[in-house]
Amino acid sequence: QVQLVQSGAEVKKPGASVEVSCKASGYTFTDYYMHWVRQAPGQGLEWMGWMNPSSGGTYYAQSFQGRVTMTRDTSISTAYMELSRLTSDDTAVYFCAREATVTTSWFDPWGQGTLVTVSS
Amino acid sequence: DIVMTQSPDSLAVSLGERATINCKSSQSVLYTSNMKNYLAWYQQKPGQPPKLLIYWASTRESGVPDRFSGSGSGTDFTLTISSLQAEDVAVYFCQHYYTTPRSFGQGTKVEIK
Repeated sequence: QVQLVQSGAEVKKPGASVEVSCKASGYTFTDYYMHWVRQAPGQGLEWMGWMNPSSGGTYYAQSFQGRVTMTRDTSISTAYMELSRLTSDDTAVYFCAREATVTTSWFDPWGQGTLVTVSS
Repeated sequence: DIVMTQSPDSLAVSLGERATINCKSSQSVLYTSNMKNYLAWYQQKPGQPPKLLIYWASTRESGVPDRFSGSGSGTDFTLTISSLQAEDVAVYFCQHYYTTPRSFGQGTKVEIK
């Protein structure tokens, strides 16, 4: 079955960077866009951007431009999201989510989420 | 950018009663060339990722109970739970996929009265 499995929880100091991975299985990795969404504690869902695993092309939400980098390793069907210059406001659960069809569509499935805690 | 606004922020409904959640987009998400509304609904329980319930505003995802239904077009949408069950306690989000950037509503928490 289609599945996204993310890396484990991270604790980082302010100013550091974090990289979260998302391993895809059950489908052809390069056929579907991958999105990243975050959720601060007790808050809603914030869309961060997408990556085209086939070309490596990306689109980042304006609020993250200059701080986020989305990449992939097609040989192991894994997407990565790196966020730099972390502050306490970046403490959140980070999700990867596949665009459900090869054209513009909803997100399904989602990864299980990765908690990133930023604390001195 | 399209802004999604849900109402109410929370609601408490008795078991077996109807729950209604509204979602309004700041511009139409109806693509007139195919007459499809680019809107989805998700359910999120504590400690879990969001789960897809509805896409194209009214198409129920496989395996989703038929007490969940979506309606609306253009800028105004509704998610209805016809007979609330205990397992439906969750936060519900709407999301557009009409353009980039994508965005979500702020969420509606559904509880048992």
